[in-house]
Amino acid sequence: DSGVTQTPKHLITATGQRVTLRCSPRSGDLSVYWYQQSLDQGLQFLIQYYNGEERAKGNILERFSAQQFPDLHSELNLSSLELGDSALYFCASSVGPGFYEQYFGPGTRLTVT
Amino acid sequence: EDQVTQSPEALRLQEGESSSLNCSYTVSGLRGLFWYRQDPGKGPEFLFTLYSAGEEKEKERLKATLTKKESFLHITAPKPEDSATYLCAVQGVTETSGSRLTFGEGTQLTVNP
Repeated sequence: DSGVTQTPKHLITATGQRVTLRCSPRSGDLSVYWYQQSLDQGLQFLIQYYNGEERAKGNILERFSAQQFPDLHSELNLSSLELGDSALYFCASSVGPGFYEQYFGPGTRLTVT
Repeated sequence: EDQVTQSPEALRLQEGESSSLNCSYTVSGLRGLFWYRQDPGKGPEFLFTLYSAGEEKEKERLKATLTKKESFLHITAPKPEDSATYLCAVQGVTETSGSRLTFGEGTQLTVNP
């Protein structure tokens, strides 16, 4: 158990819908990261937050957005969902914004039908 | 753009048969190279961080080494419980990269009893 929690574990929804994925980092960690893992693309970085502020962006679609709240939990919002958005979404956390180990949560499996 | 290539894609070993996994990388200024283990449907589990060429780290039957162009994960006398996908990731230094990890596609290891 890494100490990172994610909810829900599974999510099944229809195309065009909007969902919110939630992540709570390990106690004491200030940085949160979101990654997407699909069968054909492996693990891809989406976005990083540090202490409430956006730090870096990867190839995150405009339909996706995220934020980190004052209590340090983070939410990833996915809208206008398409079949291709079906994937595992992982949250990771680290102590700071620099070169620290990232600890991953158990993931949310999103299925878009 | 940072790139990570792992080989082989899949590896089958008999219990006790030692072997090595390879991770080749190109990165603009290496901050760190990370090894993770991932079981099916689970989040990546942190194993090692290597920061500079010549560095080595060990944990039970696993040993990770780093050169300027590649890293090896040596598995000595593996057991069936070592079966998993092993992921290599790099963290580079650019103004916009933040602390993102760039992952390889992984090596799927199966250890038969």
